[in-house]
Amino acid sequence: KNEVEQSPQNLTAQEGEFITINCSYSVGISALHWLQQHPGGGIVSLFMLSSGKKKHGRLIATINIQEKHSSLHITASHPRDSAVYICAVTRTGNQFYFGTGTSLTVIP
Amino acid sequence: GAVVSQHPSWVICKSGTSVKIECRSLDFQATTMFWYRQFPKQSLMLMATSNEGSKATYEQGVEKDKFLINHASLTLSTLTVTSAHPEDSSFYICSASPVTSGSAGELFFGEGSRLTVL
Repeated sequence: KNEVEQSPQNLTAQEGEFITINCSYSVGISALHWLQQHPGGGIVSLFMLSSGKKKHGRLIATINIQEKHSSLHITASHPRDSAVYICAVTRTGNQFYFGTGTSLTVIP
Repeated sequence: GAVVSQHPSWVICKSGTSVKIECRSLDFQATTMFWYRQFPKQSLMLMATSNEGSKATYEQGVEKDKFLINHASLTLSTLTVTSAHPEDSSFYICSASPVTSGSAGELFFGEGSRLTVL
């Protein structure tokens, strides 16, 4: 069993739709990261959070420490949001665990 | 935002040769840098943690003699794939956290380096 589970693995949405990607983890963490990887390979860190909720533009990330669960929401989705979204958790001592990623395609 | 640069972006080499990939933090100092490997349609796999001025910490199953990591300064870490073979062909990515962020700091990723070994 992976320490970090993401769902769904693949997601296709119409432009404008509200999107949710889920991440569950089974280990104690110091932080959770949401990463975005575009087809070219480059990775951008979208959020780092250890509690509560963060918002950046149309992106919202939440985390529930007790339930060991985080969600990434995209409001008013756009084709440029098409990418792979990866959930990663860090533990003390620089231990990393990565989810397998969610491939999102937003259709115009 | 903080910038991490990787070089080269693409490299093709013959089997048996060694390839060096550089990871530089351009506008911040990083005590720790991380090296990852990614196979097609798979997620990132942490290979090793590179610590400035000391030996790298390798993840289980990663050959330290195969993947040499050097972190000579607070802005540069290098990964050398020694005696490369076709199975080493992959996408290699580095990331770094600013010194002030601590162990749970925000990660900044390089653009990645795609290695093809013929």
